[in-house]
Amino acid sequence: QKEVEQDPGPLSVPEGAIVSLNCTYSNSAFQYFMWYRQYSRKGPELLMYTYSSGNKEDGRFTAQVDKSSKYISLFIRDSQPSDSATYLCAGSRGGSYIPTFGRGTSLIVHP
Amino acid sequence: KAGVTQTPRYLIKTRGQQVTLSCSPISGHRSVSWYQQTPGQGLQFLFEYFSETQRNKGNFPGRFSGRQFSNSRSEMNVSTLELGDSALYLCASSADSPRRNTEAFFGQGTRLTVV
Repeated sequence: QKEVEQDPGPLSVPEGAIVSLNCTYSNSAFQYFMWYRQYSRKGPELLMYTYSSGNKEDGRFTAQVDKSSKYISLFIRDSQPSDSATYLCAGSRGGSYIPTFGRGTSLIVHP
Repeated sequence: KAGVTQTPRYLIKTRGQQVTLSCSPISGHRSVSWYQQTPGQGLQFLFEYFSETQRNKGNFPGRFSGRQFSNSRSEMNVSTLELGDSALYLCASSADSPRRNTEAFFGQGTRLTVV
């Protein structure tokens, strides 16, 4: 079992929909949680990070962490075709520890 | 500010050969990490270098090695290539800060195909 699990999708939604992307993790020592977006043939780019449990909002994106259930979520409001990409979640113990990534969820937003 | 630069972007090699990939981190960043990305396994950590020293290492065989130079540029080498080494190899750089593990910036990767 991987430390961070993600449904690979693809998840297909119409433009304007609210998108919910989710991950589960097994390592209780994770303190930092990240979401990366990766377009085809590009490297991942950091979208959001959160520390411990709680919500963080940035424009149309909201990251949510529930450490009690080991559940990480990313919500995208008013989704656009340009949001079509693979979304990777990751957890880290912080300090000198390297983040552990999920395999990514492919999102397709169709006009 | 220039981003992380990886060269070359694409490579085709034959089984048994060796290959060297290069990564230039963001100016001022001293940590460079390497990852292998495949459809089946996702993003897997290879190793991290900080100030020319390997600081963390993933679970890859000894055929995979790396180094970092005094200007923070890094190279990774794969010897005796196998078909299964075909992947996107990504380099990420981070600044030396308490939150550095949450702010890794990736390059566009090198697509290696082994035939």
